Amino acid sequence: GAVVSQHPSWVICKSGTSVKIECRSLDFQATTMFWYRQFPKQSLMLMATSNEGSKATYEQGVEKDKFLINHASLTLSTLTVTSAHPEDSSFYICSASSQVATQPQHFGDGTRLSIL
Amino acid sequence: GEDVEQSLFLSVREGDSSVINCTYTDSSSTYLYWYKQEPGAGLQLLTYIFSNMDMKQDQRLTVLLNKKDKHLSLRIADTQTGDSAIYFCAETLSSGYSTLTFGKGTMLLVSP
Repeated sequence: GAVVSQHPSWVICKSGTSVKIECRSLDFQATTMFWYRQFPKQSLMLMATSNEGSKATYEQGVEKDKFLINHASLTLSTLTVTSAHPEDSSFYICSASSQVATQPQHFGDGTRLSIL
Repeated sequence: GEDVEQSLFLSVREGDSSVINCTYTDSSSTYLYWYKQEPGAGLQLLTYIFSNMDMKQDQRLTVLLNKKDKHLSLRIADTQTGDSAIYFCAETLSSGYSTLTFGKGTMLLVSP
């Protein structure tokens, strides 16, 4: 089946650091990628939708200058958490989808971000 | 607006069948999905069903869709301890690459 690879799986860093998370589709062209955030014992909250070669569309309440999304190729999207603070600590998950209407989204394994 | 509701918790014994239920409000829902999330992991697509189908079976998994009542269920036959996880129901309105709306997830606990 379709595989989405997300790296790193876990990162711990100091407050003020910027952290980049990569999301790759390994065996299909991901025209659209989604970035989610998940708090403990809660469902996924959509942060932004990115289409290859276009600017990402952010959900209401998500700071675009804080969470920079780049989707420069059909197989790679990145989320950079800039100047991270402890309140940014969370589980971040990406998903990828092709333009085929019948194909569902496939998710990466998530990145646990801990800001000290 | 879109809303997807699930019961929060289900406990079964190993070998029994599990049935996880989901209701949704938007009659325009086109695709309905079941995802599984194990602790600390991402979401694994289990199965999905198009709105023009009533049932889909895949090995131990059976999905039933009642469009009239906007009710979706996932039945897991011969539930195993490895099935313990959180199960998310999700819908999308027009296509597989549209935004997903998730339920809050049902925690399934399978005891030996």
